[in-house]
Amino acid sequence: DTGVSQDPRHKITKRGQNVTFRCDPISEHNRLYWYRQTLGQGPEFLTYFQNEAQLEKSRLLSDRFSAERPKGSFSTLEIQRTEQGDSAMYLCASSLPTGNNEKLFFGSGTQLSVL
Amino acid sequence: DQQVKQNSPSLSVQEGRISILNCDYTNSMFDYFLWYKKYPAEGPTFLISISSIKDKNEDGRFTVFLNKSAKHLSLHIVPSQPGDSAVYFCAPCTSGTYKYIFGTGTRLKVLA
Repeated sequence: DTGVSQDPRHKITKRGQNVTFRCDPISEHNRLYWYRQTLGQGPEFLTYFQNEAQLEKSRLLSDRFSAERPKGSFSTLEIQRTEQGDSAMYLCASSLPTGNNEKLFFGSGTQLSVL
Repeated sequence: DQQVKQNSPSLSVQEGRISILNCDYTNSMFDYFLWYKKYPAEGPTFLISISSIKDKNEDGRFTVFLNKSAKHLSLHIVPSQPGDSAVYFCAPCTSGTYKYIFGTGTRLKVLA
């Protein structure tokens, strides 16, 4: 169990550029979540996958955001035409629910800075 | 619309004493509650959970209390240790939605 891995750890980009983040969940975890955290706030839900199916998207996720989990393993989160307001920590989490005891395992996050 | 509130942004406690972190929620459909701890530059780490069928859950130095009628839960850490210094988040969920709503967090500082 190597934990949830996120790449890159840090990303600095200019406004208007596209960025893509990758998340590798714990193997055998069938649920994968993306959250966003800004300074002084708790993580905000963006979207989640059960296997390869994206089952829910937050209203926070504008049309510039897209997430995929093509084979039910790793996931990517792409932001097109980045804006300064997209600057945040992007967190990925995975889980393997067993009854009511689901707990999310988080990666270390990708810190995005849009200049 | 803040469904989950942690009204104390920060808390300082002397080593060995009890730390009490509070969380209030408005959505009566929440029935499963998690607490997470977060160190700087790391992702949140699961600490303890409680289901709405219970009013207390204990794990070592950590105890979570749930008062459903008041829509309030609290995390007790006793005795507090300097390594407990971190930001703590409560994260309730409604079973079946799989969407955890995080509070704004409380920064705990345990003084040696």
